[in-house]
Amino acid sequence: DAGITQSPRHKVTETGTPVTLRCHQTENHRYMYWYRQDPGHGLRLIHYSYGVKDTDKGEVSDGYSVSRSKTEDFLLTLESATSSQTSVYFCAISELRTSGGALLYEQYFGPGTRLTVT
Amino acid sequence: QKEVEQNSGPLSVPEGAIASLNCTYSDRGSQSFFWYRQYSGKSPELIMFIYSNGDKEDGRFTAQLNKASQYVSLLIRDSQPSDSATYLCAVNKGSGTYKYIFGTGTRLKVLA
Repeated sequence: DAGITQSPRHKVTETGTPVTLRCHQTENHRYMYWYRQDPGHGLRLIHYSYGVKDTDKGEVSDGYSVSRSKTEDFLLTLESATSSQTSVYFCAISELRTSGGALLYEQYFGPGTRLTVT
Repeated sequence: QKEVEQNSGPLSVPEGAIASLNCTYSDRGSQSFFWYRQYSGKSPELIMFIYSNGDKEDGRFTAQLNKASQYVSLLIRDSQPSDSATYLCAVNKGSGTYKYIFGTGTRLKVLA
């Protein structure tokens, strides 16, 4: 499981409240990601990080912010949750490997957080 | 046009048959390709990657890549009911690039 944990695993919250999801990894991976997964849309990248305090937006970043103050933790914050943010959120890390002379980043996922915004 | 396309299925195959899952991608610069398996309610699990044209075999799984036609496929031989899951195709756009584009997945049902 690449040493990735997410907390909480399930959360129900009300519209307009702030929510923070935490991703924790134990293997010192440089790259970390937040995705959301919704029926019909697959996995969509929200934000990613390429180092401590280095983050960038993905394809669906509106309404989300992230922070990474130390290597092992990547936080996703919904400043004011909306019903459209009801989803399953996955954290991932990527690990560089070489195979036959090629450089590959293999991505591994955490267990996910199911968020419901009522 | 989506960057990575998969038929959503479900694809139903009898136990012991070969399941063939397909994925097309739009960016000719894409260089590495990954297949993930996702059981219902679980997180995606990496099962195969391929970056060269041709076939790559790992146990009952074979990944096939054709860059000229921009498709990648996954064959599962001797399909088992435990293979029933959604299979996600992911494309990594360039050597050393750490961002992925995922397809929406194909749901596979292996009938006992």
